[in-house]
Amino acid sequence: EDQVTQSPEALRLQEGESSSLNCSYTVSGLRGLFWYRQDPGKGPEFLFTLYSAGEEKEKERLKATLTKKESFLHITAPKPEDSATYLCAVRGLYNFNKFYFGSGTKLNVKP
Amino acid sequence: NAGVTQTPKFQVLKTGQSMTLQCAQDMNHNSMYWYRQDPGMGLRLIYYSASEGTTDKGEVPNGYNVSRLNKREFSLRLESAAPSQTSVYFCASSSDRGGHEQFFGPGTRLTVL
Repeated sequence: EDQVTQSPEALRLQEGESSSLNCSYTVSGLRGLFWYRQDPGKGPEFLFTLYSAGEEKEKERLKATLTKKESFLHITAPKPEDSATYLCAVRGLYNFNKFYFGSGTKLNVKP
Repeated sequence: NAGVTQTPKFQVLKTGQSMTLQCAQDMNHNSMYWYRQDPGMGLRLIYYSASEGTTDKGEVPNGYNVSRLNKREFSLRLESAAPSQTSVYFCASSSDRGGHEQFFGPGTRLTVL
């Protein structure tokens, strides 16, 4: 069964303190791993798609990487506006219309 | 472009009442989805529609029905609401081309008393 586990559940950082969020996945053939950002009271907002091990993508202070079993979202010198819940999802080869989401990491960046 | 829109934003129902959640997208996407989000459980797929005229069950379809009215609109119906259906409901759409990333609506917060 396709499955996604995210850790930690919550992360508190000081402004400028870099860290990483983890997304471990089990899927029968990966057709895509997706990262989303969700602000309180809003729908998830798309950040990145990764397709194969070794792939990396960057956007401002965020960098996503992918291995065969997990993905990391690296946050470099975060700012308070980076505070949000970050969601990871996978799309498998056989159930390609279904996306499986992790429960998210709630990031709080303090000034 | 409005993207994905959902109505209503908030709703309170009594057990046994029925209601329909509406969703529309203006991005010409073929695929549309309904999710529910509960604390600590992430987003769970209720139903999806890969194209106009087709619908399929997701992880948690019991107690729900859907209609893909046309390419733009995908509605979710609760025939007899139960307290276990208290949740935040999100509609999403995605293209069959490119990265298949999903675009989400703002959500409907539903409380069943």
